[in-house]
Amino acid sequence: GENVEQHPSTLSVQEGDSAVIKCTYSDSASNYFPWYKQELGKRPQLIIDIRSNVGEKKDQRIAVTLNKTAKHFSLHITETQPEDSAVYFCAAGFKTIFGAGTRLFVKA
Amino acid sequence: DVKVTQSSRYLVKRTGEKVFLECVQDMDHENMFWYRQDPGLGLRLIYFSYDVKMKEKGDIPEGYSVSREKKERFSLILESASTNQTSMYLCASSLRRRAGGPRGETQYFGPGTRLLVL
Repeated sequence: GENVEQHPSTLSVQEGDSAVIKCTYSDSASNYFPWYKQELGKRPQLIIDIRSNVGEKKDQRIAVTLNKTAKHFSLHITETQPEDSAVYFCAAGFKTIFGAGTRLFVKA
Repeated sequence: DVKVTQSSRYLVKRTGEKVFLECVQDMDHENMFWYRQDPGLGLRLIYFSYDVKMKEKGDIPEGYSVSREKKERFSLILESASTNQTSMYLCASSLRRRAGGPRGETQYFGPGTRLLVL
């Protein structure tokens, strides 16, 4: 079946540093790759997404890169701030399969 | 503004009970999903529906069934609740991707139902 692997499971950075989260997927027909952020006690919300006809997309401090040949995509957060602390999920595939999540801690 | 609501925020049930979790969305979305969220396991897809009366199994359908009689409502049913079904249940909805039309597949999540099975 479809599979999405996400690494690392936990990431701790100093405020102002960059954070990178990586995902690989198995369904080669995937063409939509969203990233969701879930703050403690809240529902997941989309922060950025990318489609398969684009290699990179940026929105202020966050960016996503996609390598369809290698079947992996990454989330990049620059100049991290304490409010970036949350769990981040990637997803892929026709059924929208989620990765296991990355808990990001940004230390002030 | 998309609104996805779930019938209960917290639920406590006994082993063997039949449990109904309801989800309603108000944006005329074709796709609806049920996930369970457990620490360290992320969001695991139980079932999804891409149209009224249509459903497909996700990764972990065992012990669950679903019902989609109306476009706006998607129900998750635990036929005979067990303790290993204690979890957070999240419902989501999204537009169906159309060729040449709006291609948004963003999922909008409900607030979740925390179910405890004793």
